[in-house]
Amino acid sequence: KQEVTQIPAALSVPEGENLVLNCSFTDSAIYNLQWFRQDPGKGLTSLLLIQSSQREQTSGRLNASLDKSSGRSTLYIAASQPGDSATYLCAVSPPGSGNTGKLIFGQGTTLQVKP
Amino acid sequence: SQTIHQWPATLVQPVGSPLSLECTVEGTSNPNLYWYRQAAGRGLQLLFYSVGIGQISSEVPQNLSASRPQDRQFILSSKKLLLSDSGFYLCAWKQEGNTEAFFGQGTRLTVV
Repeated sequence: KQEVTQIPAALSVPEGENLVLNCSFTDSAIYNLQWFRQDPGKGLTSLLLIQSSQREQTSGRLNASLDKSSGRSTLYIAASQPGDSATYLCAVSPPGSGNTGKLIFGQGTTLQVKP
Repeated sequence: SQTIHQWPATLVQPVGSPLSLECTVEGTSNPNLYWYRQAAGRGLQLLFYSVGIGQISSEVPQNLSASRPQDRQFILSSKKLLLSDSGFYLCAWKQEGNTEAFFGQGTRLTVV
């Protein structure tokens, strides 16, 4: 059974710092991995999708990497800003889910960027 | 562009009352549709998904049901709510294949 873990559960950094959020999964045979952002009481905003054949994806100050063999992904945020404060969730699409698109989520890392 | 609408945003219902949450997607056709629940202190759990009109798959046994009466409409229902049904319900869509999933703004359900 696929399990997704995100450590740490919470992180507080000063503004301007570069930071890395971690995501690990137990079954390396994933279809893809997606990072989301969730603001308090709101829905999820898609940040980056990494397909199983890819190593990384970049969008602005965000860079996500994927190492399937070790079951790990990282989300790198450069030059953090107070507006980056949110909960970051990673989710994997298990094998055989290409047609269904089911996602298995980690518990999330809540990030606070202090001015 | 594609958009997803979910309503209501918040709902307070007594135990034993019925439930109907609606989700619609615009700007795309034949999407896969999903209902997730996010309980306090827990991750998102997939409840139902649908790959086409009238096709519903349930991921966990529960007090809820789902229906897809139209291509871009997904409804989550219950005949009699339980206290344990409280949570944050999220609707999502994606196209078939290796594509991103997009989520609605969620419905906060409190059963009292």
